[in-house]
Amino acid sequence: NAGVTQTPKFQVLKTGQSMTLQCAQDMNHEYMSWYRQDPGMGLRLIHYSVGAGITDQGEVPNGYNVSRSTTEDFPLRLLSAAPSQTSVYFCASSDRDPRDTQYFGPGTRLTVL
Amino acid sequence: AQKVTQAQTEISVVEKEDVTLDCVYETRDTTYYLFWYKQPPSGELVFLIRRNSFDEQNEISGRYSWNFQKSTSSFNFTITASQVVDSAVYFCALRSLRETSGSRLTFGEGTQLTVNP
Repeated sequence: NAGVTQTPKFQVLKTGQSMTLQCAQDMNHEYMSWYRQDPGMGLRLIHYSVGAGITDQGEVPNGYNVSRSTTEDFPLRLLSAAPSQTSVYFCASSDRDPRDTQYFGPGTRLTVL
Repeated sequence: AQKVTQAQTEISVVEKEDVTLDCVYETRDTTYYLFWYKQPPSGELVFLIRRNSFDEQNEISGRYSWNFQKSTSSFNFTITASQVVDSAVYFCALRSLRETSGSRLTFGEGTQLTVNP
């Protein structure tokens, strides 16, 4: 199993550009989430999905879109990048049972100039 | 609302010292899970332990031990005889079963541990 994979690992954007961060898991997990990590703030939930076709907002959803057309993939779209979105982004997945541990991808380091 | 507080932003110790990382949480739910994750300099998040709210037994895994005290809403993490490889950011996190998402983790701010040779 590859676990949770994310691409790209690093990305530099200019203000106003759009891009998609990719996330995939091969563990057949129903739950998938996107977090951002900023210094001194821990990880904050952006969006999450409880299954294919179902998504919802987390703590800091503004400026991001998600969709979940398959169980395996959960891409995160930045519609018009802003410097405030400079961060490290983590995708996570877990089984349907809420007691299950969340497993994280390796992260994407995004810089918006 | 849920909250996790890790009051120690940075800790620096000398190798072989014992070190305790504090975690205090807030939740109104009676059923919840607590987690510790390690983030080494390479950046990935590594799961260390999960504890449910009904199990207050302390846990030991090698040099790592965890002390869960419901009365003080704390879930502290101790590293015995620390090593340079323990240098990392450590996150405490909380998930309540009442959360409709089922997958939402509330993280603390993290504690940067530096173990010097």
